[in-house]
Amino acid sequence: GNSVTQMEGPVTLSEEAFLTINCTYTATGYPSLFWYVQYPGEGLQLLLKATKADDKGSNKGFEATYRKETTSFHLEKGSVQVSDSAVYFCALHENSGGSNYKLTFGKGTLLTVNP
Amino acid sequence: ETGVTQTPRHLVMGMTNKKSLKCEQHLGHNAMYWYKQSAKKPLELMFVYSLEERVENNSVPSRFSPECPNSSHLFLHLHTLQPEDSALYLCASSHRQGGYGYTFGSGTRLTVV
Repeated sequence: GNSVTQMEGPVTLSEEAFLTINCTYTATGYPSLFWYVQYPGEGLQLLLKATKADDKGSNKGFEATYRKETTSFHLEKGSVQVSDSAVYFCALHENSGGSNYKLTFGKGTLLTVNP
Repeated sequence: ETGVTQTPRHLVMGMTNKKSLKCEQHLGHNAMYWYKQSAKKPLELMFVYSLEERVENNSVPSRFSPECPNSSHLFLHLHTLQPEDSALYLCASSHRQGGYGYTFGSGTRLTVV
């Protein structure tokens, strides 16, 4: 079956530091990949996505590149801010056609950015 | 506002109470989901509705009873809950072809006392 593995948190950084949160996946086909962010007290919000190999998703200074050869979708940001403190979830959807609606989520990585 | 509205945002209930959580979306989505998020545990998919038909029920205790009267509304009816049911309950919606991702509501923070 499908699975998503994220790096264990928590991750604590100083403001303006470089961020990487690793995500690798297992899928039998050609999945779409997503990063969601959950700010304190809120639901999950779609941060970025990529639908095929070598695509780069980007939003709000965050980027992730779909690497089929390493089955990875690592999240990066060049300079984090205190407002980026949140839990980040990597997820995949396998495009097997029909009514295939399920997303498979990783366990989430808590990021804390200190001023 | 994400397009998926959950009410109430916070709920405290006793173990003998009956209450309902409500979720509403007007995004034209035709699949809806209930998730449970507990501290230090992964997201747990509880129920999936596709075109108002329940298509997945992941071994959820019968004290949780979902209802999907139409494609825009989803309820979670609660009765005789246990303290361990205290959690954030998240509703989400999507197109049946889920490759576009989900839209989540802000959740209901449930405390069972």
